[in-house]
Amino acid sequence: NFMLTQPHSVSESPGKTVTISCTRSSGSIATNYVQWYQQRPGSAPTTVIYEDNQRPSGVPDRFSGSIDSSSNSASLTISGLKTEDEADYYCQSYDSSSHVFGGGTKLTVL
Amino acid sequence: EVQLVQSGAEVKKPGESLKISCKGSGYSFTSYWIGWVRQMPGKGLEWMGIIYAGDSHIRYSPSFQGQVTISADKSISTAYLQWSSLKASDTAIYYCATLRDVTTHFDYWGQGTLVTVSS
Repeated sequence: NFMLTQPHSVSESPGKTVTISCTRSSGSIATNYVQWYQQRPGSAPTTVIYEDNQRPSGVPDRFSGSIDSSSNSASLTISGLKTEDEADYYCQSYDSSSHVFGGGTKLTVL
Repeated sequence: EVQLVQSGAEVKKPGESLKISCKGSGYSFTSYWIGWVRQMPGKGLEWMGIIYAGDSHIRYSPSFQGQVTISADKSISTAYLQWSSLKASDTAIYYCATLRDVTTHFDYWGQGTLVTVSS
């Protein structure tokens, strides 16, 4: 099976833009959709991006997703950062009957 | 409104058995899959397995095959995750979540059930 690798942590200031990467170890990133989940401390995860770049209703358009076949990676971009965006973010995809989560990225907004 | 309500926190001893639940409402329970996800203390999310509520077809993660049992009772719109003999390493928060299809994303999440296994 494959792995999804994320940076352990990122930090940025309020109002700025941050991008979190998710690199697939084997197989094409474009083969199956990539999702992104936000998990605030003490809470269950929620979906912020599904099917590479789709936002569920209620998720602000400051959140966007994309994939890059050249680097075999997906990215979550959050613009106009707010302190409420501080959370752990996980990418997730599917292949060969298995769902795989990335290790998670802790976003600090300071 | 789609809701998944999980059973409450559990404290168990090693070797004991346990069954936790996840009750769905606000959607057609038998038309969706339900997945289970483990989060060990301070760690990330791990997919354990999924069950199609309509016919109880199950797929397990290789990492959890044989370690847990996933089931569902569609008459009460409830999915279950059970252990026959708990280990201290089973201490974690367990989440259930809906999936519209086996290859799609985890859509709606339960609040999580904390399982603590300690002697």
